[in-house]
Amino acid sequence: DQQVKQNSPSLSVQEGRISILNCDYTNSMFDYFLWYKKYPAEGPTFLISISSIKDKNEDGRFTVFLNKSAKHLSLHIVPSQPGDSAVYFCAAKNVRGGFKTIFGAGTRLFVKA
Amino acid sequence: NAGVTQTPKFRILKIGQSMTLQCAQDMNHNYMYWYRQDPGMGLKLIYYSVGAGITDKGEVPNGYNVSRSTTEDFPLRLELAAPSQTSVYFCASSLQASGGPSTDTQYFGPGTRLTVL
Repeated sequence: DQQVKQNSPSLSVQEGRISILNCDYTNSMFDYFLWYKKYPAEGPTFLISISSIKDKNEDGRFTVFLNKSAKHLSLHIVPSQPGDSAVYFCAAKNVRGGFKTIFGAGTRLFVKA
Repeated sequence: NAGVTQTPKFRILKIGQSMTLQCAQDMNHNYMYWYRQDPGMGLKLIYYSVGAGITDKGEVPNGYNVSRSTTEDFPLRLELAAPSQTSVYFCASSLQASGGPSTDTQYFGPGTRLTVL
């Protein structure tokens, strides 16, 4: 039972354009959502997060949008750069529920120069 | 700060062999985790620890064991390697797990790619 789904295994975008990575979740108890970025031969690194009390969080070129009614979040990268090419994992947890963080399968982003 | 380190980077095992994957962190984090990532899948939690001397099972603990004798180290032991354990293994740590965004972020090591033949 996949509680966090990233339905697009890969995405290809031209440099300078917007990249939109999508994530859906099924557990309504999730109240904290994270995006991790992973380069080959490295571990995932934290990118940006959003609490369920917000619907948008922005950090430089990266913005995460949360639609609780649709149980959907998205990561926008504007403008996309070749260095953004990586695998992006969506993750979710319930903060008061402790350690357990559920990860999606990841979306591989290719940014073409 | 080295962050989270893992050794080895790669390993090939024969069925039935055993090995220990090493993990260490120098951030004085309380929580440590072991995940495995299979192709096309998300990270699955194998074991976790909330502090030295305290460990517990995650989603997929069968075939693995852990120990946490110090805050820094969290080794993962495979006793009888099976082909189903072919995967990439990630160790992670966090300061807390229920403290909110500023303390719950997990920091990952570079991973160990294990193949069991």
